Amino acid sequence: QVQLQESGPGLVKPSQTLSLTCTVSGGSISSRSYFWSWIRQPAGKGLEWIGRIETGGRTNYNPSLKSRVTMSVDTSKNQFSLKLSSVTAADTAVYFCAREVVVAASTLLGNWGQGTLVTVSS
Amino acid sequence: DIVMTQSPDSLAVSLGERATINCRSSQSVLYSSNNKNNLAWYQQRPGQPPKLLIYWASTRESGVPDRFSGSGSGTDFTLTISSLQAEDVAVYYCQQCHNIPWTFGQGTKVEIK
Repeated sequence: QVQLQESGPGLVKPSQTLSLTCTVSGGSISSRSYFWSWIRQPAGKGLEWIGRIETGGRTNYNPSLKSRVTMSVDTSKNQFSLKLSSVTAADTAVYFCAREVVVAASTLLGNWGQGTLVTVSS
Repeated sequence: DIVMTQSPDSLAVSLGERATINCRSSQSVLYSSNNKNNLAWYQQRPGQPPKLLIYWASTRESGVPDRFSGSGSGTDFTLTISSLQAEDVAVYYCQQCHNIPWTFGQGTKVEIK
């Protein structure tokens, strides 16, 4: 059973860049038919899909965040990463990484990490 | 973006009773090529990540109890818990995977009456 684990600083200063890594275990990140995604959830609020990457490097980003988001994959470490630049307090949230599986033209967020809280504050 | 709207925002149901959650999308999420709806339901217990319950609007994920069922097509969908159990206390989200960006409903909190 694949497992995902987020890691990175829990506190980021305003205007700086948030950087998170998701480590995948129990399966290869290079497997086909998967995308690797980031989703966030402010405290007490709903879910926002940030974007996804496949191991070939193709990305899809939420247009609302696209100008500030960069995702990458490191297949040698079985990891993928998120960078969000110019953060403000509005970016404070629990950040989840997840695996999207493609099934008959649909994609399912079938496996999630536990999430990591990132607070933006000086 | 496709806007997903759930109703109600919260509901309290007695143990063993039925819980029904509605979800409406701002445009159809029916994929005409395979006649499947790109609509999923997730359960999020307190302090936990979301868990996939149902996809294609009505297909249960492996291991999900059969008291959970999904229905609907096009723009209107329903998640039903036929007999509420204590472990079903959670927030439930619908999500469309029809057009990027994927979007979620605001969530429906289910509690025990």
